[in-house]
Amino acid sequence: TQLLEQSPQFLSIQEGENLTVYCNSSSVFSSLQWYRQEPGEGPVLLVTVVTGGEVKKLKRLTFQFGDARKDSSLHITAAQPGDTGLYLCAGAKRASGTYKYIFGTGTRLKVLA
Amino acid sequence: DTGVSQNPRHKITKRGQNVTFRCDPISEHNRLYWYRQTLGQGPEFLTYFQNEAQLEKSRLLSDRFSAERPKGSFSTLEIQRTEQGDSAMYLCASSSKRGGQETQYFGPGTRLLVL
Repeated sequence: TQLLEQSPQFLSIQEGENLTVYCNSSSVFSSLQWYRQEPGEGPVLLVTVVTGGEVKKLKRLTFQFGDARKDSSLHITAAQPGDTGLYLCAGAKRASGTYKYIFGTGTRLKVLA
Repeated sequence: DTGVSQNPRHKITKRGQNVTFRCDPISEHNRLYWYRQTLGQGPEFLTYFQNEAQLEKSRLLSDRFSAERPKGSFSTLEIQRTEQGDSAMYLCASSSKRGGQETQYFGPGTRLLVL
């Protein structure tokens, strides 16, 4: 059962444009991670957000965790071809002393030069 | 940190053969996860270890799949009598809690193709 919905699923934009990717759930998460994955490679961690309402910036990328810790967004300013890849969000839920991670379906971004 | 490593990176096998993959987690991480990822999808949870104990297994993990983590360090994932539907990227991740944050770090994956 997929508990995390990502939108859009696909996005093709021109270099220099801005974009926002959304990650939504009805579940509350202990933390939420964003990853970028390139073909044939494992996901690479971009950021972890923990506190409701938290905003983190990583150069041209801005991540926000929803106040209720159920949703998150990733905003990219002035996208570049190097931003091309599959963006994944993953929510961590703590249960019975263990952590379980639920992944979104991903947003495939292509930035055209 | 040297990061999470996985071997082999690629494996091509014939249907019915057994395959084994290895994952070496980040050294101080006590939690280790295995996922399967098919094209265009996010990773799907397979199983989870805390130290050497296998604490959870997904229903995706049929009886042909077995995972071990002897001594709580590296882990192996074995698939017996492979089927074409097993073709996927198999990802390993490790995690620990630092500064109140629990974060997973992934290896590069093992891409399996069953002919």
